[in-house]
Amino acid sequence: NAGVTQTPKFQVLKTGQSMTLQCAQDMNHEYMSWYRQDPGMGLRLIHYSVGAGITDQGEVPNGYNVSRSTTEDFPLRLLSAAPSQTSVYFCASSYGVPSLAKNIQYFGAGTRLSVL
Amino acid sequence: SQQGEEDPQALSIQEGENATMNCSYKTSINNLQWYRQNSGRGLVHLILIRSNEREKHSGRLRVTLDTSKKSSSLLITASRAADTASYFCATDANRGSTLGRLYFGRGTQLTVWP
Repeated sequence: NAGVTQTPKFQVLKTGQSMTLQCAQDMNHEYMSWYRQDPGMGLRLIHYSVGAGITDQGEVPNGYNVSRSTTEDFPLRLLSAAPSQTSVYFCASSYGVPSLAKNIQYFGAGTRLSVL
Repeated sequence: SQQGEEDPQALSIQEGENATMNCSYKTSINNLQWYRQNSGRGLVHLILIRSNEREKHSGRLRVTLDTSKKSSSLLITASRAADTASYFCATDANRGSTLGRLYFGRGTQLTVWP
């Protein structure tokens, strides 16, 4: 049981480049989300999805796009990378929305991104 | 932001001592969760407490919730060096427009010395 898989683990980009961070889960979870973690800032929600075809913005969505064409995959796209997007990115999934008590989050191992 | 806030930011104790971390939040919630993160790793769920519960136990973990004060505490008893990690509280938002969101605090870095 792989759980939540994120690729790549590390990435270095130049300012202005675009890239996609991949996230896949094999637990048939409906809810998926992306967070960024910066020193001293904790985790901040970028985008989330409550099911295939449905996405919504979190706290810090600017500069990022998402889509959810399948239950399993939830890629995060950086359209034009900026140094401010240097961070560690985590993908998480759960059976349903966090407001329901059974819906604990399962996290991937993270993608460490540096934008030069 | 509806982010929770953990206190203290850092905690350093000896093995065998108890560790207490606190979390305060801003809005009404359905439940509050605690997560642990080892250095360089993803977060792992520890315990969830519902808004109508006041205390919950899981092994050496004890969580309390005071909704009137919008605060929670995580107690780790008889700490071990392996408990060294960052600990985060997370709250959902009990409001229609943000029901899908989960908000994390900045975390408490716990160091347990052998």
